[in-house]
Amino acid sequence: TQLLEQSPQFLSIQEGENLTVYCNSSSVFSSLQWYRQEPGEGPVLLVTVVTGGEVKKLKRLTFQFGDARKDSSLHITAAQPGDTGLYLCAGERGGNKLVFGAGTILRVKS
Amino acid sequence: EAGVAQSPRYKIIEKRQSVAFWCNPISGHATLYWYQQILGQGPKLLIQFQNNGVVDDSQLPKDRFSAERLKGVDSTLKIQPAKLEDSAVYLCASSNLHGVNTEAFFGQGTRLTVV
Repeated sequence: TQLLEQSPQFLSIQEGENLTVYCNSSSVFSSLQWYRQEPGEGPVLLVTVVTGGEVKKLKRLTFQFGDARKDSSLHITAAQPGDTGLYLCAGERGGNKLVFGAGTILRVKS
Repeated sequence: EAGVAQSPRYKIIEKRQSVAFWCNPISGHATLYWYQQILGQGPKLLIQFQNNGVVDDSQLPKDRFSAERLKGVDSTLKIQPAKLEDSAVYLCASSNLHGVNTEAFFGQGTRLTVV
């Protein structure tokens, strides 16, 4: 069983559309991170959220950490083809331990 | 700052053969991780080192996988003998605590194909 459940697994949208990706767990994490991975590359950190209810914005990307620190969402406004990739959430537990979700594959068509 | 270096980038071997991967983390990073990523899935932690000590190897198939980080810097991951289901990308990452949060930096990975 996956400790972190991501949904949807796959998303194909047109350029300019908005989308939201979810990351849910029954466990509490000290922080939650979002990574983006392109084919043939390792994941690259986008953001870390730490405080329950925290919202962070990175250009057209908005990240939210749930009040109970068990879930998170990533919202992309006006998606562009360059946003295409695998989006991974990772929860941090004690001792620098990072647990990853299965990921959401996003494809933005022009 | 140089990133996490991994080699080789690609490896094709026959089942029952052995293979080794190498990782050089970012200078000064105390924590080193090896992840296995099967196509279309998220990374699965195999082993985590803190300096040269093992923090977590609970998901490492110890009958065939081994890893070491003898001097607390670079690390090797070995598979012997390989099985078809070991085909995956093996990612190495390193981190250092920033305040209370862990930020992991990943290498490009080694894509292993077992035939």
